[in-house]
Amino acid sequence: EAGVAQSPRYKIIEKRQSVAFWCNPISGHATLYWYQQILGQGPKLLIQFQNNGVVDDSQLPKDRFSAERLKGVDSTLKIQPAKLEDSAVYLCASSLADRARDEQYFGPGTRLTVT
Amino acid sequence: AQSVSQHNHHVILSEAASLELGCNYSYGGTVNLFWYVQYPGQHLQLLLKYFSGDPLVKGIKGFEAEFIKSKFSFNLRKPSVQWSDTAEYFCALRGNQGGKLIFGQGTELSVKP
Repeated sequence: EAGVAQSPRYKIIEKRQSVAFWCNPISGHATLYWYQQILGQGPKLLIQFQNNGVVDDSQLPKDRFSAERLKGVDSTLKIQPAKLEDSAVYLCASSLADRARDEQYFGPGTRLTVT
Repeated sequence: AQSVSQHNHHVILSEAASLELGCNYSYGGTVNLFWYVQYPGQHLQLLLKYFSGDPLVKGIKGFEAEFIKSKFSFNLRKPSVQWSDTAEYFCALRGNQGGKLIFGQGTELSVKP
């Protein structure tokens, strides 16, 4: 089966610019996650969707970050305006449902560099 | 507070050496534990998981981990590493209600041929 797809794979922008990332989860997966992985750290959840509803966005910097999953399938994550500290890999993951034993499958990530 | 701590930042071993990577967690409730691996240039993959029952769990590629509740630990082991095990390893936990994975900082393993 096809895995989680993400694009672009790499992005370099200047601070104060905006950027958007796209994620296509595994077909049939109701739950979608966006994680931020800063160099030298483990991934940290930014936002979790169940179908097209937000389950957890407690760690999302809402003054600059936004995300949507309009039709319960693809998702986009946007940063506007970007700061230097947003340089990180942004990982999208999906799972069949939001049960503790449902495996989360990760995409290849988008590496963002803010200069 | 919910957290995962991996004590080793970078481990360097020769082929055929034994491996043990430490993982300790803090969580106020029933916990589910995972080890993920990220090979160079590849995405995060599940290596093994513990939900309940036998505290010694076996995963892919000869890896195993032992859940010791009294020590809040879930250490990863492999009796004999190979060059192809060179990767970054992440310990993670998840509560029984589902939701996010909470990851440790990761341990980079380099295996010398």
